[in-house]
Amino acid sequence: GAVVSQHPSWVICKSGTSVKIECRSLDFQATTMFWYRQFPKQSLMLMATSNEGSKATYEQGVEKDKFLINHASLTLSTLTVTSAHPEDSSFYICSVSEGTDTGELFFGEGSRLTVL
Amino acid sequence: GQNIDQPTEMTATEGAIVQINCTYQTSGFNGLFWYQQHAGEAPTFLSYNVLDGLEEKGRFSSFLSRSKGYSYLLLKELQMKDSASYLCAVLDSNYQLIWGAGTKLIIKP
Repeated sequence: GAVVSQHPSWVICKSGTSVKIECRSLDFQATTMFWYRQFPKQSLMLMATSNEGSKATYEQGVEKDKFLINHASLTLSTLTVTSAHPEDSSFYICSVSEGTDTGELFFGEGSRLTVL
Repeated sequence: GQNIDQPTEMTATEGAIVQINCTYQTSGFNGLFWYQQHAGEAPTFLSYNVLDGLEEKGRFSSFLSRSKGYSYLLLKELQMKDSASYLCAVLDSNYQLIWGAGTKLIIKP
C-alpha cells in the first residue's frame, strides 16, 4: 500500500503563532489527500479533502481561513494552522487513498500539536 | 443522521478471544472498515467488508450483516500488543467515511 509520511510528529507552539504540517505520499501520486483531527478519546474527524491543483473542500464547521491547505504537487499537501490557540491542540493526521475498490486509506504517522 | 455505535471499552485476557461489535445507520453503504490505532499513533488498516459474511485474516476476522447494519471484529489468541483502540468506519453512499468513536481494548495477562 501507499507510504505516507507526516512532519513534524510533535510540535509545541505559543498561542497566536502559525504551524505548518506536511504530508507526503512517498510512493504514490495522490491527487487527493484527507486531513483528519482527533481529540483525546474521540474518533477521527474529517477536516478537509485536499485536491491537487485546486482548492480544498472543507467539512462543515471547519474554518478554511484558519486551517489553510495547500496541495501544490501530487506528493505533498500541507496544513497550516494559523493563529493557533490552545483549543487547536489536537492530533492531526493525513491520509491517502490509492483509489482501489476497497477505498482503503493509508495514514501518515500523525502530528501532535500542543498550543501553549 | 448517520451513526456508528461501538462499545467504549472492553477488557480481555491474553490468549483468549474477544469480539468487538459495531452497529451502523448510514445513508447508503459502500463497505465497512476496521482499523487498529495504538495510543498516539495513526490508524492502521485491518479489514474491509462489503458483502455479508466472514472475512478471515490470520488471528483477526471481520463479519458483516448488511440487513442488520451490524459488524464485528473477532480477535483470537490475544496478545498484549493487541491492546489498542479499534475503529469501525462505514463508507456511505457519497463515499464519505463515517467513523465510530472506537473501542479501547485492554488486554490483561
